Amino acid sequence: DAKTTQPPSMDCAEGRAANLPCNHSTISGNEYVYWYRQIHSQGPQYIIHGLKNNETNEMASLIITEDRKSSTLILPHATLRDTAVYYCIVRVKKNTGFQKLVFGTGTRLLVSP
Amino acid sequence: DTGVSQDPRHKITKRGQNVTFRCDPISEHNRLYWYRQTLGQGPEFLTYFQNEAQLEKSRLLSDRFSAERPKGSFSTLEIQRTEQGDSAMYLCASSLSSERDRHVYNEQFFGPGTRLTVL
Repeated sequence: DAKTTQPPSMDCAEGRAANLPCNHSTISGNEYVYWYRQIHSQGPQYIIHGLKNNETNEMASLIITEDRKSSTLILPHATLRDTAVYYCIVRVKKNTGFQKLVFGTGTRLLVSP
Repeated sequence: DTGVSQDPRHKITKRGQNVTFRCDPISEHNRLYWYRQTLGQGPEFLTYFQNEAQLEKSRLLSDRFSAERPKGSFSTLEIQRTEQGDSAMYLCASSLSSERDRHVYNEQFFGPGTRLTVL
């Protein structure tokens, strides 16, 4: 399984963009990058995923470098409710299509007023 | 609320006792997962079901742990002879997949978890 490295914590002012980096230098060609977040006392919540192209949905944008060794999750206008632990995960894929998620320790994002 | 429910939300037990947790996935989801999360760590995969078949088990799942999904709907996770090291949050997740979509990512929806404390 490819390993990911994330900063343990980050701060962001409410209304500003939050840019959360992730290094995954050992990622292989058919592995995707996924982002989940976990708000206190809740289960993880899927945010976005991508292979090599940048992706955007209603929650966030995902920027993946051309060499795919790192990525950045962007929350364009952070709110207090975005305070959570953000996990960058590289997908483990088997022929059965089973997708085990391997979580690291994530980045604790604190959004302040 | 993701649609995945877990019961109980909290369980306190004494060392050596058996405990059982229940997970009700989103009704049409055919895949069900159990994870364990200790304080300050990310969730760790325990086991996975496709319908009623248990297809994958982590080495973390010792012989004191057993999981079932008898009718391919709800699932139970039992821990026998609990130890203090079993204290953790136990998370259940479900997803929908089909042979047609086997190469498409189908996100996992997580329940709120069951927090186990072993005294």
